[in-house]
Amino acid sequence: GAGVSQSPSNKVTEKGKDVELRCDPISGHTALYWYRQSLGQGLEFLIYFQGNSAPDKSGLPSDRFSAERTGGSVSTLTIQRTQQEDSAVYLCASSLAGQYYEQYFGPGTRLTVT
Amino acid sequence: QKEVEQDPGPLSVPEGAIVSLNCTYSNSAFQYFMWYRQYSRKGPELLMYTYSSGNKEDGRFTAQVDKSSKYISLFIRDSQPSDSATYLCAKGAGNKLTFGGGTRVLVKP
Repeated sequence: GAGVSQSPSNKVTEKGKDVELRCDPISGHTALYWYRQSLGQGLEFLIYFQGNSAPDKSGLPSDRFSAERTGGSVSTLTIQRTQQEDSAVYLCASSLAGQYYEQYFGPGTRLTVT
Repeated sequence: QKEVEQDPGPLSVPEGAIVSLNCTYSNSAFQYFMWYRQYSRKGPELLMYTYSSGNKEDGRFTAQVDKSSKYISLFIRDSQPSDSATYLCAKGAGNKLTFGGGTRVLVKP
């Protein structure tokens, strides 16, 4: 079946602009995760959604970052007033409920802030 | 100190050799341990996960966990050039994964 998809694959934006990154999880996966991967910090957890429960936002680095998940499926990660340090690969993963140990990742969105 | 430590490599081996990868972790409050493979400019791909101490085998891959030493390992037998990638270990509890920095592996034909 189809895996996790993300769009766009690459995004170049100017400092100060807002960006939206999209994730479409595997069908039937109710858990969805966002991560950020950068050279200096490795792969870091950002936010986790499970069904209709309140998301776990404990990994978001600042209030410029937000995410939503509509209809329990597609998720959007929004970064407001982008900064150069936001440049990274943003990865989305999904899993069956409770099976956080079996997460499947998308190809990522490479964000470059100039 | 990072919660999960990995040697960044690169680890270079000849084709057919055994690749041995290791991670150490510092917090005992973790239940599951995972290994991911990541090719350049691709998302991580789950290889194996394990819960308990001991060995778990899947084809050419063997994952080993020693909770008393807080040490996890991945062995790749009969390595192939296609195994050249970055290997990430991770530990998880409470719906979160914490990753090591990854070890870059080069398998030379």
